[in-house]
Amino acid sequence: DTAVSQTPKYLVTQMGNDKSIKCEQNLGHDTMYWYKQDSKKFLKIMFSYNNKELIINETVPNRFSPKSPDKAHLNLHINSLELGDSAVYFCASSQYGTGGNEQFFGPGTRLTVL
Amino acid sequence: AQKITQTQPGMFVQEKEAVTLDCTYDTSDQSYGLFWYKQPSSGEMIFLIYQGSYDEQNATEGRYSLNFQKARKSANLVISASQLGDSAMYFCAMREPNNAGNMLTFGGGTRLMVKP
Repeated sequence: DTAVSQTPKYLVTQMGNDKSIKCEQNLGHDTMYWYKQDSKKFLKIMFSYNNKELIINETVPNRFSPKSPDKAHLNLHINSLELGDSAVYFCASSQYGTGGNEQFFGPGTRLTVL
Repeated sequence: AQKITQTQPGMFVQEKEAVTLDCTYDTSDQSYGLFWYKQPSSGEMIFLIYQGSYDEQNATEGRYSLNFQKARKSANLVISASQLGDSAMYFCAMREPNNAGNMLTFGGGTRLMVKP
């Protein structure tokens, strides 16, 4: 059973297009996240979302927007795609808290913008 | 300012030997959490070990242990008896309570290569 799943695994698209990446977790967690991993493997948080609030990393362009239809899903919508958006996008989930609540990551979506 | 620093971009270790991956962090909080993740070439992120700032003992999980030196703000990962399957990228990450949203800040990673 997959804990955190993402679709699609690969996404190739043209500049200027709008695309979405879906994420689902079956762990019963209350918080979900999106991370971006660039070509140099650097991982950067984009969003954190639970049923109380959405926290947005201030460096994320407003072309990126998370949408959560329910607690188990956090989809990522990207408008007007740019070349620099090419990266691997990871969804993750955890229980919100200050203890050892590790984040479980999805398999990643490799986005290529041509 | 970078909060998590991993100074070793790449390292080699002989199979069956132990290896230490360095991680230093910067925070003004007294309460925080430190995590290590492994990313093999297949790309998935695998949780390895967690250390809370108030934990008095170093965390251990099988062949992984965390050498936590709070005064020096370091949280080095020690892998004992390296195996070929340990070849991967390793990321240190920190969660701060004042970092709203429970988010993790990652270091730049260390690529570990295990030689047979």
